[in-house]
Amino acid sequence: QQQVKQSPQSLIVQKGGIPIINCAYENTAFDYFPWYQQFPGKGPALLIAIRPDVSEKKEGRFTISFNKSAKQFSLHIMDSQPGDSATYFCAASMHSNTGKLIFGQGTTLQVKP
Amino acid sequence: SQTIHQWPATLVQPVGSPLSLECTVEGTSNPNLYWYRQAAGRGLQLLFYSVGIGQISSEVPQNLSASRPQDRQFILSSKKLLLSDSGFYLCAWSPGARGYTFGSGTRLTVV
Repeated sequence: QQQVKQSPQSLIVQKGGIPIINCAYENTAFDYFPWYQQFPGKGPALLIAIRPDVSEKKEGRFTISFNKSAKQFSLHIMDSQPGDSATYFCAASMHSNTGKLIFGQGTTLQVKP
Repeated sequence: SQTIHQWPATLVQPVGSPLSLECTVEGTSNPNLYWYRQAAGRGLQLLFYSVGIGQISSEVPQNLSASRPQDRQFILSSKKLLLSDSGFYLCAWSPGARGYTFGSGTRLTVV
């Protein structure tokens, strides 16, 4: 019940395409859902985050869609660029003093020029 | 502003040797601190977390240990490294309930 399941494992799109990465969770106590972007050899960096009282959030070309009833959320990258090629992780946490994040397995995205 | 420092960036150690990785955070007090390992591939495995000085919680049994001797210092150690300890080790901090900031990581190769 503590898992976050992420798909697909890898994704290849052409420049300008809209890659979509999906995540699903079981624990309804989760109330914070961030996405992280990781380039090779670097630590993951926070990209965008959403709370379950919001169905969609946009920051630049990145959009999170959230479906509370289905316990699913997804990341959309509009007008994808080769520089977006990276590994993307979804995550979830519940309000507690530990702040622990439960991460999905990651998606490796390649955007071809 | 808050910054997180992690060193060394790369490390090659023989099997059976000890390990000490250090992580420090600047610009904040009483942060939550975390150690993750990322094996070949992509997954992030939480190893240890700490909500205060001397308070360490272990997520998985293993050949590693962690300590927090000061408020903003988190150390990952091993007495005798195994080949399976190879990986990319990441330290992270959070102000409490939300939002991690990761360090730049240490690439450990046990030979």
